[in-house]
Amino acid sequence: KQEVTQIPAALSVPEGENLVLNCSFTDSAIYNLQWFRQDPGKGLTSLLLIQSSQREQTSGRLNASLDKSSGRSTLYIAASQPGDSATYLCAVYGNKLVFGAGTILRVKS
Amino acid sequence: GAGVSQSPSNKVTEKGKDVELRCDPISGHTALYWYRQRLGQGLEFLIYFQGNSAPDKSGLPSDRFSAERTGESVSTLTIQRTQQEDSAVYLCASSLTKLAAYEQYFGPGTRLTVT
Repeated sequence: KQEVTQIPAALSVPEGENLVLNCSFTDSAIYNLQWFRQDPGKGLTSLLLIQSSQREQTSGRLNASLDKSSGRSTLYIAASQPGDSATYLCAVYGNKLVFGAGTILRVKS
Repeated sequence: GAGVSQSPSNKVTEKGKDVELRCDPISGHTALYWYRQRLGQGLEFLIYFQGNSAPDKSGLPSDRFSAERTGESVSTLTIQRTQQEDSAVYLCASSLTKLAAYEQYFGPGTRLTVT
């Protein structure tokens, strides 16, 4: 059974810092990995999708890497802003999408 | 363009009542998914549809839960005889097909509170 773990559970940083969110998964037989953002009371917004054959994806200030063999992914956020404050979810797609519990990020101005 | 929509956005119901939650996927998306997110917990997969068929119902927590999809469009998740542990946010997502290459796009969710 696939299990997805996200570390840290919560993170508070001053504006402008670069930060890294970690995701690990137990079964490396995945098709892709997705990072989502969830704002309070709202649905999920897809940030980046990395296919299993890819090593990383970039979108603006976000960079996600994938090491399938070791079962790890990182989401790097450069020059963090207060608007980045949200819960960040990692999900891996094997025969279904399995989510981690998320990292709650707070960027202080 | 229009995204995934869900209704109602909030639902408060008494224990023992039945509820229906609706999902309108993105037009043209053949795959549709239902998830549940309990307070402070991660998302749990409930069921998915490819077209109007549901090949995988393994995530439905009990026989009180059922779902259907018609016209390869709207889907309804029904919870019968609701219990307090059913309180959660129910999220719907759709993708172009079930193939893993395609992203899932999520709706805003329905917050269900069972009193």
